[in-house]
Amino acid sequence: GAVVSQHPSRVICKSGTSVKIECRSLDFQATTMFWYRQFPKQSLMLMATSNEGSKATYEQGVEKDKFLINHASLTLSTLTVTSAHPEDSSFYICSARKTASPNGYTFGSGTRLTVV
Amino acid sequence: GQQVMQIPQYQHVQEGEDFTTYCNSSTTLSNIQWYKQRPGGHPVFLIQLVKSGEVKKQKRLTFQFGEAKKNSSLHITATQTTDVGTYFCAGPGSGNTGKLIFGQGTTLQVKP
Repeated sequence: GAVVSQHPSRVICKSGTSVKIECRSLDFQATTMFWYRQFPKQSLMLMATSNEGSKATYEQGVEKDKFLINHASLTLSTLTVTSAHPEDSSFYICSARKTASPNGYTFGSGTRLTVV
Repeated sequence: GQQVMQIPQYQHVQEGEDFTTYCNSSTTLSNIQWYKQRPGGHPVFLIQLVKSGEVKKQKRLTFQFGEAKKNSSLHITATQTTDVGTYFCAGPGSGNTGKLIFGQGTTLQVKP
């Protein structure tokens, strides 16, 4: 199967600090990974597409300077929430897909970020 | 822009009753995918439909893709408490970017 590991699963940070979230594809290479944000009882909102070896593509309305994405290898993408504020508190999830897989996208287990 | 709409938003059923969620896209889709997210969990892939009019079954779950490839449905027969969760449909975003556009989801509650 395809396994995506994401951590940390939960993080609490103080306002103004930065938090890094890691997303790893464990048994396949992922040239592209996707980062989503999900508010309670809401759908997944795509934030950005992470591209290995090049700049991420951000969705409209997502601040690229606030949500820094790095995809330095074929198995690792990171999302850094910079200068976090309470309104950044949310559930962040990454996903990736084995190339040409008929099995859809595999999601990480998500990171619950709470900014206090 | 491209939208994927899903109804109902919530559904409460008695265990043993059937359940259906409907998904409608503003554009024709090359495929549609369904995911299930348990409370506190992450989305898990259920199935992908590709062909116009396609029907696929997974035990008590029946998935349909409309003839025009703009709508889809998921039907669960004789729900069980293990079916609790939010069911999302998702279609590919425009352009060959690999992006998925998710519906709003239907949250299913099953009373034992």
